[in-house]
Amino acid sequence: GQNIDQPTEMTATEGAIVQINCTYQTSGFNGLFWYQQHAGEAPTFLSYNVLDGLEEKGRFSSFLSRSKGYSYLLLKELQMKDSASYLCAVRSISLTTDSWGKFQFGAGTQVVVTP
Amino acid sequence: DVKVTQSSRYLVKRTGEKVFLECVQDMDHENMFWYRQDPGLGLRLIYFSYDVKMKEKGDIPEGYSVSREKKERFSLILESASTNQTSMYLCASSFSGLAAGRKETQYFGPGTRLLVL
Repeated sequence: GQNIDQPTEMTATEGAIVQINCTYQTSGFNGLFWYQQHAGEAPTFLSYNVLDGLEEKGRFSSFLSRSKGYSYLLLKELQMKDSASYLCAVRSISLTTDSWGKFQFGAGTQVVVTP
Repeated sequence: DVKVTQSSRYLVKRTGEKVFLECVQDMDHENMFWYRQDPGLGLRLIYFSYDVKMKEKGDIPEGYSVSREKKERFSLILESASTNQTSMYLCASSFSGLAAGRKETQYFGPGTRLLVL
């Protein structure tokens, strides 16, 4: 089975930096993904890590440590439009079938950006 | 652009009704998924299909069944709808991720908000 934990809510001011942590336990790890979800909308892809280290993509960066089962998403120069839920997801290989690419999600972290 | 469509955005059904939720993707993805999303619980996997006619139970399959007769279409069936199945249902698809390090994410449909009375 898998457990994915992330904080429920974080608040930050416009222009600031926020770091959202995610810890996971899984068998057959095959990648960690971050998604952004605005209220009433479907999740959209932000970033992907499968090897240890930092991946940078504009104002967003994501870090992975496989040995620690730990990732974080860093949001820099926060804007009001960044107010959303951020979902951590782990992709895994199923050991009982030949299926690859099963995703499981954390409960999401609601980020509130204030003026 | 990848497109994942779901048959309805909003649906109201009565307890005991049989409910079909349809999902279609146009990117030849091997994998398709059905999730439900509830406040405080996040996205929970109901069923996962990794090929035509192949399926795997997710975390909460009870009360649901699925059908994948064609690669592009994945159906979620509520055999006898109950009020605790009121939720947002999200379909997603992806390539299999078989290649090591393949950066293939999931693509989500717009969701179906189901209300069971």
